[in-house]
Amino acid sequence: RKEVEQDPGPFNVPEGATVAFNCTYSNSASQSFFWYRQDCRKEPKLLMSVYSSGNEDGRFTAQLNRASQYISLLIRDSKLSDSATYLCVVIADGSSNTGKLIFGQGTTLQVKP
Amino acid sequence: GAVVSQHPSWVICKSGTSVKIECRSLDFQATTMFWYRQFPKQSLMLMATSNEGSKATYEQGVEKDKFLINHASLTLSTLTVTSAHPEDSSFYICSARRQVSQPQHFGDGTRLSIL
Repeated sequence: RKEVEQDPGPFNVPEGATVAFNCTYSNSASQSFFWYRQDCRKEPKLLMSVYSSGNEDGRFTAQLNRASQYISLLIRDSKLSDSATYLCVVIADGSSNTGKLIFGQGTTLQVKP
Repeated sequence: GAVVSQHPSWVICKSGTSVKIECRSLDFQATTMFWYRQFPKQSLMLMATSNEGSKATYEQGVEKDKFLINHASLTLSTLTVTSAHPEDSSFYICSARRQVSQPQHFGDGTRLSIL
């Protein structure tokens, strides 16, 4: 089983739609969680950290469910510019001293006009 | 603006050449930097953890003599792909963070093509 699992998609949605991505992680001791965005042939860019209480940044909302070892990202009012691959990233407790990131495969989003 | 700079962005060279990639943290000191490799349509895979002033820690299956890492200062780590071959062609990305618990920031990446 992969340490971090995501549905690779692609998710094809019209502009203005709301879309949700899910991610599960296998290590219950994981402590830190992030969503990164990666555009084609570019480096990943931090989208947002994910906190236990949930957090929102504009059209983006991230949720963490520790009991189910599940992370989600909700994008409201999708824009064409949201088209990218969204990476679920976890820092496991055992690696927290080094900050080693564990990446999911990524979920591809295509927003259509 | 960018907080991690990576150079060069593109490299095309002949088989057998050694290629050096630089990673700099621009406005903070990074005792630890990370080197990743990404093949098309695949996840980023951590190659090694670069530690300032000491030896790098390599992930299982990554040849340390093939991928030389030097972290000579708190703002610079270099990855040298020695005697590169076509199978080494990939997207190499570095990252750095200010503190252990904080997210990592990535360099622009280096697209390496070995002919």
